[in-house]
Amino acid sequence: DSGVTQTPKHLITATGQRVTLRCSPRSGDLSVYWYQQSLDQGLQFLIQYYNGEERAKGNILERFSAQQFPDLHSELNLSSLELGDSALYFCASSSSGTSNEQFFGPGTRLTVL
Amino acid sequence: AQKVTQAQTEISVVEKEDVTLDCVYETRDTTYYLFWYKQPPSGELVFLIRRNSFDEQNEISGRYSWNFQKSTSSFNFTITASQVVDSAVYFCALRQRGDSSYKLIFGSGTRLLVRP
Repeated sequence: DSGVTQTPKHLITATGQRVTLRCSPRSGDLSVYWYQQSLDQGLQFLIQYYNGEERAKGNILERFSAQQFPDLHSELNLSSLELGDSALYFCASSSSGTSNEQFFGPGTRLTVL
Repeated sequence: AQKVTQAQTEISVVEKEDVTLDCVYETRDTTYYLFWYKQPPSGELVFLIRRNSFDEQNEISGRYSWNFQKSTSSFNFTITASQVVDSAVYFCALRQRGDSSYKLIFGSGTRLLVRP
């Protein structure tokens, strides 16, 4: 158990809908990262938050957004869903420092029908 | 450019065989960090090891060992006496110190199947 929690574990929805994925980092970790794992794109970095502020963006679509709350949990919002958004979405957290490893949550498997 | 290449898409071995998973990386930074993660069939990503670019010492942890060679930009992972529980997808990843986002750049993964 990495200490990072993600809910829900599975999500099935229809095209055009909006969903919210939730992540709670390990105790004490200030950084939260979101990654998407799909068959065609592999594991890709989406966005990072550090202590409530956006730190960096990767290959995140404009239909997607995220935030980190004062209690450090984070939410990833996906809207106007398309079939191609079906993927495993991971949240990871790390303590401060460039060298520190990221610990991943169990992931949320999103299926868009 | 920064990139991680895992050329072996899938490897199949019989239990107790040794197996090496290859990882080749590209980076312009002189300081960087390399990682290996394991993704078992259950789907979670499990951290295995971190290696700093300035530390080329090889590391051994039980049946696992890692060979870091800056001269060939490789960070290979060997499992000795493989077991069925080692069956998983293994990812090599890179983080550049100069990248303020601290994001991980992953290879495409190597699926290891250990047959009884």
